[in-house]
Amino acid sequence: KAGVTQTPRYLIKTRGQQVTLSCSPISGHRSVSWYQQTPGQGLQFLFEYFSETQRNKGNFPGRFSGRQFSNSRSEMNVSTLELGDSALYLCASSSTDYTEAFFGQGTRLTVV
Amino acid sequence: AQRVTQPEKLLSVFKGAPVELKCNYSYSGSPELFWYVQYSRQRLQLLLRHISRESIKGFTADLNKGETSFHLKKPFAQEEDSAMYYCALSGGSARQLTFGSGTQLTVLP
Repeated sequence: KAGVTQTPRYLIKTRGQQVTLSCSPISGHRSVSWYQQTPGQGLQFLFEYFSETQRNKGNFPGRFSGRQFSNSRSEMNVSTLELGDSALYLCASSSTDYTEAFFGQGTRLTVV
Repeated sequence: AQRVTQPEKLLSVFKGAPVELKCNYSYSGSPELFWYVQYSRQRLQLLLRHISRESIKGFTADLNKGETSFHLKKPFAQEEDSAMYYCALSGGSARQLTFGSGTQLTVLP
């Protein structure tokens, strides 16, 4: 069974730009969650989608948004990038029993 | 608010020695507790969850509700156990996890 796939693996963007990250969950998983990982703040929950609906949201500004498609693939978007948005963004998918979150390799975003 | 505290950023032990990674949590309710591990250049993966009460790779963790702790233990550390370990809490599912800051374990030969 293929794991969670995130694309791209690396991104470099300029302040003020926007960026879209993609996540393909494990086949059959309908829940997709996003996390931001930084050296200073550690792993922080961004939001969770299930059946194309956002069900939970972490404490992040509105510049961070996401969506989920009917095939459960998810995207997150960050607008008006700031230097502090530089981080590893992780996606995780879960089956409907939610016993385990399976993580992708992450997308490393650098804002310059 | 829910919070997970891992007091040790770095922990070094010798091969064959016992190891304990500490985790304390704050949550008003009945949480689910997890330990996730990240080996070098690999993705974050589940090591164990308190509900299953399994022993994975020789690791065990007991949920102590009185002390609000979920420490990870292994009686005899192996070099391949060297990794970053994260304690995590959920309010009832794996959908939204609150992570601790992590402990980098190094097992010395």
